[in-house]
Amino acid sequence: QKEVEQNSGPLSVPEGAIASLNCTYSDRGSQSFFWYRQYSGKSPELIMFIYSNGDKEDGRFTAQLNKASQYVSLLIRDSQPSDSATYLCAAKRGYGQNFVFGPGTRLSVLP
Amino acid sequence: EPEVTQTPSHQVTQMGQEVILRCVPISNHLYFYWYRQILGQKVEFLVSFYNNEISEKSEIFDDQFSVERPDGSNFTLKIRSTKLEDSAMYFCASSGIEQYFGPGTRLTVT
Repeated sequence: QKEVEQNSGPLSVPEGAIASLNCTYSDRGSQSFFWYRQYSGKSPELIMFIYSNGDKEDGRFTAQLNKASQYVSLLIRDSQPSDSATYLCAAKRGYGQNFVFGPGTRLSVLP
Repeated sequence: EPEVTQTPSHQVTQMGQEVILRCVPISNHLYFYWYRQILGQKVEFLVSFYNNEISEKSEIFDDQFSVERPDGSNFTLKIRSTKLEDSAMYFCASSGIEQYFGPGTRLTVT
């Protein structure tokens, strides 16, 4: 069974700090990985995706992928209170394949 | 910027009634999805749709549910004989390489 696991949190960090969100997946056939942000009562919003081992940076966000360890992470630099949300990790096997979502990690950035 | 749209934003229905949730995916996307999120719980995959047919469905997507692409733009989820436990947010999504979600329809079954 394809599973994506995340710590449910809440993860609390002070404003300006780096928030580190982690995700593991069970399906070795997973090829690409996505991070979504979901505010309470809203739909998931795509932050970024990664499919190659290593780091990928986009503004304050850095996604890291280690396929050998089946591990994906998202770093948020200079965390802001507006980053307080639930962060969802998702994995998929290939183009057009289904996205398997983790349960999400709730992040709280304290002013 | 293209976006997925969904209507209605909130639907209230009585137990046993049928509801149709509507979605307009992003126009150049080929894959369409429905997800469900019960309040406080994780996003759950229901069904994916490609080339006018279901490509995959979850255990949740039983005979009570059906999907259709009635024309070139709309993508619908029909829930027959609704139950109290069908109350949830229903998200439509579409993808090329990346998947984008619509704003959701909150379904309340009373």
